[in-house]
Amino acid sequence: AQRVTQPEKLLSVFKGAPVELKCNYSYSGSPELFWYVQYSRQRLQLLLRHISRESIKGFTADLNKGETSFHLKKPFAQEEDSAMYYCALSAGGTSYGKLTFGQGTILTVHP
Amino acid sequence: EAGVAQSPRYKIIEKRQSVAFWCNPISGHATLYWYQQILGQGPKLLIQFQNNGVVDDSQLPKDRFSAERLKGVDSTLKIQPAKLEDSAVYLCASRSQGGEQYFGPGTRLTVT
Repeated sequence: AQRVTQPEKLLSVFKGAPVELKCNYSYSGSPELFWYVQYSRQRLQLLLRHISRESIKGFTADLNKGETSFHLKKPFAQEEDSAMYYCALSAGGTSYGKLTFGQGTILTVHP
Repeated sequence: EAGVAQSPRYKIIEKRQSVAFWCNPISGHATLYWYQQILGQGPKLLIQFQNNGVVDDSQLPKDRFSAERLKGVDSTLKIQPAKLEDSAVYLCASRSQGGEQYFGPGTRLTVT
């Protein structure tokens, strides 16, 4: 069975500071990892996925299979980054993309 | 493209009553999911459809929850009878061929 852990429920930083949201997973196969974000009063939306290796809104995340981690990073946080962030895992194959989510981290960026 | 639609957005019922939620996925998306999100937790998959067939309902409490997707498009999720612990946001999502899941706005259910 797969599991996703986000150890920080709350994370506060000041504008312009670096930010790192931690995500660890457990899964015996080759997972696909995602970061989803939910801004205030908006629906859950995909931020990035590890296979695309893109930087979205200045955020990056690298899959570290040795440490089973997929931490989300941004060098200079902005106030508009304040939101709830979820790390999620898909087992791939015949799972048809079923997602297992972590508990989420609320990021607050202070001016 | 139009997003995933859900209704109602909010519902308050008493325990032991029944309730139904409706979802209209993005046109052309074959895979549809229902997730339950309890306050303070991440979404948890309840059931997954591929077209009108169930792929995974292992976490659906089948004694009280049921779901269908008769024509492979819209879906309904029903709870009968509801319990206090069913209070949650129920999210519907559909998946593109590229693998991205698109979520609806959710239905917030309060059971009193």
